[in-house]
Amino acid sequence: DAGITQSPRYKITETGRQVTLMCHQTWSHSYMFWYRQDLGHGLRLIYYSAAADITDKGEVPDGYVVSRSKTENFPLTLESATRSQTSVYFCATLAGIPSYEQYFGPGTRLTVT
Amino acid sequence: RKEVEQDPGPFNVPEGATVAFNCTYSNSASQSFFWYRQDCRKEPKLLMSVYSSGNEDGRFTAQLNRASQYISLLIRDSKLSDSATYLCVVNNQAGTALIFGKGTTLSVSS
Repeated sequence: DAGITQSPRYKITETGRQVTLMCHQTWSHSYMFWYRQDLGHGLRLIYYSAAADITDKGEVPDGYVVSRSKTENFPLTLESATRSQTSVYFCATLAGIPSYEQYFGPGTRLTVT
Repeated sequence: RKEVEQDPGPFNVPEGATVAFNCTYSNSASQSFFWYRQDCRKEPKLLMSVYSSGNEDGRFTAQLNRASQYISLLIRDSKLSDSATYLCVVNNQAGTALIFGKGTTLSVSS
């Protein structure tokens, strides 16, 4: 019972390459989120999804693309990676609106050289 | 004014000490408030929700002051294992996502 998983856990890529970070949940939670965490900025919301085929921008969406064809998967794609996208990326799901407890995946550490 | 503001610390305290963290938020319409804990290089995890009446969970007490838009977390009898970053969290105006503060770092020493 893994709950929420992210892959890869570590990734090094070059500037200009396309990179996709995967997020998978086993709970069937409706809401899913992508955050990035950088020193000095804390957690910032990139995109979120309220259900399959419904996505919306967060605070820092530029340079990222998301899709959600199935409830359990929420991939994040960097179309043309830049050094400023070097960060730790966390995927999260929402247990339910009243409780607002978000469960986070273990994170993906991405380095863009 | 930033949406959620916290003193970044670090707070360095000895074991057994009592320590308090404060947080302010800008959206008066926020309805949900939380404290999350994040250990170094790991994912954040819910520590406790914060209710208007205040709530306690063992050594941890959370308070909410809606009039002042202020949230606090009190840790009594600090343990070495309490060393972590504590994130203040409120829901956004649309109620669809959470806004995280940058966190307050606590270091408990023996």
